[in-house]
Amino acid sequence: GAVVSQHPSRVICKSGTSVKIECRSLDFQATTMFWYRQFPKKSLMLMATSNEGSKATYEQGVEKDKFLINHASLTLSTLTVTSAHPEDSSFYICSARGPGGYVIGAFFGQGTRLTVV
Amino acid sequence: QKEVEQNSGPLSVPEGAIASLNCTYSDRGSQSFFWYRQYSGKSPELIMSIYSNGDKEDGRFTAQLNKASQYVSLLIRDSQPSDSATYLCALYSGAGSYQLTFGKGTKLSVIP
Repeated sequence: GAVVSQHPSRVICKSGTSVKIECRSLDFQATTMFWYRQFPKKSLMLMATSNEGSKATYEQGVEKDKFLINHASLTLSTLTVTSAHPEDSSFYICSARGPGGYVIGAFFGQGTRLTVV
Repeated sequence: QKEVEQNSGPLSVPEGAIASLNCTYSDRGSQSFFWYRQYSGKSPELIMSIYSNGDKEDGRFTAQLNKASQYVSLLIRDSQPSDSATYLCALYSGAGSYQLTFGKGTKLSVIP
C-alpha cells in the first residue's frame, strides 16, 4: 500500500534555531499534503494545506512566516519551524493525498516529536 | 464551522467485550467519515471509512452512519488489550481542499 515517510521522528533543538521536517510519498504522487500539529491529549489541528507547486494555505492563527511549508515536488513537502521556541514543542504529522481515486485521509506520516529547549 | 464531538473517555471495557465509540457532527453536508486508531506517541492509522448510511463491517470493526441524526459510531467486537488506544473520528465535508476535521478522540482501555 501507499506509504508516507516523515523524517525525523524526533528532534530536540535549542530555542531560536530552525528545524526542517520532511514528508515524502514513497509510491504515489502527492498532489496535496496536509500538515497537522497535536498537543498532548488533544486532537489533530490542521496547520496548512499545500498543493504541489503553489503556496500553502494556512489555517487561521497559524503564522506562515514561522511555519514555512514547501511542496516543490509531487513526492516531497517540508515544514520548517523557524526561530523555534518552547511553545512550538509538539507532535507534527503530515498527511498526503494523491490524485483522484486515492482514499482521502488514508496516508499519514509517522509524525515528528519536536522538543525545543 | 464544522465540529466533530467525541466523548474523551476513558472508556474501559473488559477483554472480549464490545466497545462502542460514538461521534456526532454539526455539518449536514459532510460526505465521508473516518475512524482512526492512534497509539500513544504514534500517528493516526485509518481503520474504517464510511460514506453511506448503514453499517460497514471489516473484521472485528463495524462502522455505523446515520446522516439524519448526524451520528457515526464504531463498534469493536471481541475487544483485545491491543485495541487500547485513542480513537479519532474525522469527516470530510466534500469541499475541494480535501481537508479532514477531527474530533478530540476517545481513549479506549481494554482490561485483560
